[in-house]
Amino acid sequence: DTEVTQTPKHLVMGMTNKKSLKCEQHMGHRAMYWYKQKAKKPPELMFVYSYEKLSINESVPSRFSPECPNSSLLNLHLHALQPEDSALYLCASSLGPFRSGNTIYFGEGSWLTVV
Amino acid sequence: AQSVTQLDSQVPVFEEAPVELRCNYSSSVSVYLFWYVQYPNQGLQLLLKYLSGSTLVKGINGFEAEFNKSQTSFHLRKPSVHISDTAEYFCAVSEKTSYDKVIFGPGTSLSVIP
Repeated sequence: DTEVTQTPKHLVMGMTNKKSLKCEQHMGHRAMYWYKQKAKKPPELMFVYSYEKLSINESVPSRFSPECPNSSLLNLHLHALQPEDSALYLCASSLGPFRSGNTIYFGEGSWLTVV
Repeated sequence: AQSVTQLDSQVPVFEEAPVELRCNYSSSVSVYLFWYVQYPNQGLQLLLKYLSGSTLVKGINGFEAEFNKSQTSFHLRKPSVHISDTAEYFCAVSEKTSYDKVIFGPGTSLSVIP
């Protein structure tokens, strides 16, 4: 099983709403990631969790709040977003985080539209 | 910090013709190199990766890539493309001194023409 599952696949939210994106993997991976991808652009790293601890925050605005409840789950809490935050949000995971060239496995993404 | 350049934003090619997608990188340390493919409305899938050893790497779906350290390149090739290869291709790099922080190039859109 090399699957990273993301829910919901599509989300439309207003600028005052609070919503969450969810991600799950059962591959025993200890590193999990959030990437943001705009249309016709490459994915941009947002956050990295290593052994359930936040290890990298790429200067992401505080309206995005990640959470890793356990080694299989990763959430991205959304609050007071702007229309320019509309994008495909990709969750990913890898076996281990440290300098090892591990393959990163991606989910199919959650399409977010902020209105 | 590392960076990745993909010189061709769009590559049209006829079905059964060969194709080469170019990738160059910049880094002050040793790197791992990857090629990912993204089909429409899907996530990214690993095609192949170079970690060490043989500079010619074979991947899935008949793709291969060659690592050239002196030219800091990692070009992707396929001898005969199919319609199903139409997708966005991303070259990516990860520095060996850091976490698995993979940085992606801008992407090349491959269109296979019947």
